[in-house]
Amino acid sequence: LAKTTQPISMDSYEGQEVNITCSHNNIATNDYITWYQQFPSQGPRFIIQGYKTKVTNEVASLFIPADRKSSTLSLPRVSLSDTAVYYCLVGDSRNSGGYQKVTFGIGTKLQVIP
Amino acid sequence: EAQVTQNPRYLITVTGKKLTVTCSQNMNHEYMSWYRQDPGLGLRQIYYSMNVEVTDKGDVPEGYKVSRKEKRNFPLILESPSPNQTSLYFCASSLFPSQVANEQFFGPGTRLTVL
Repeated sequence: LAKTTQPISMDSYEGQEVNITCSHNNIATNDYITWYQQFPSQGPRFIIQGYKTKVTNEVASLFIPADRKSSTLSLPRVSLSDTAVYYCLVGDSRNSGGYQKVTFGIGTKLQVIP
Repeated sequence: EAQVTQNPRYLITVTGKKLTVTCSQNMNHEYMSWYRQDPGLGLRQIYYSMNVEVTDKGDVPEGYKVSRKEKRNFPLILESPSPNQTSLYFCASSLFPSQVANEQFFGPGTRLTVL
């Protein structure tokens, strides 16, 4: 199971770009990297997923270096509504039969300050 | 509307009284999962199901049971709840359990208190 490490918390002012880095040193060849966002008392919500290089959608960008041992979620110009917990997940492709075990961890609590 | 529903949303019960939390999805997803969320411990997977009649343990299965008799439903059963099962529970589903972490859709959560 690929273990991930990310900062417990971050603060940012409104309008700034926020970068949250996740380490996953033992990522497997077939593993993808996925980020989720969770608001208080709600279920997590998928944000973005990638395998290598850069992925961008309407919400965020995901940067993955060539060695894939880390990844960075980039949120452009954050607003107060981006205050949430962000989880980095790495797909477990190594269980027998390809069964999906997913480990969320505690995530990164982002606090956006006015 | 595509969604995952859970019932009840809130439940207060007493130690030892069997309870079931229901989960249903209308997206024809094969993969479903249960998580619990506790302060400082994040989201931890309890059980997951690859498809009908196929279930397996997650990271914290002790004290829980599940069943998957129909594709859309994945109830979580606590045969004899204890106070350490007081938590916020989430059900999730995804289209298929590929070899990668694919997008999961989460329910609204069930806040359970066991006295």
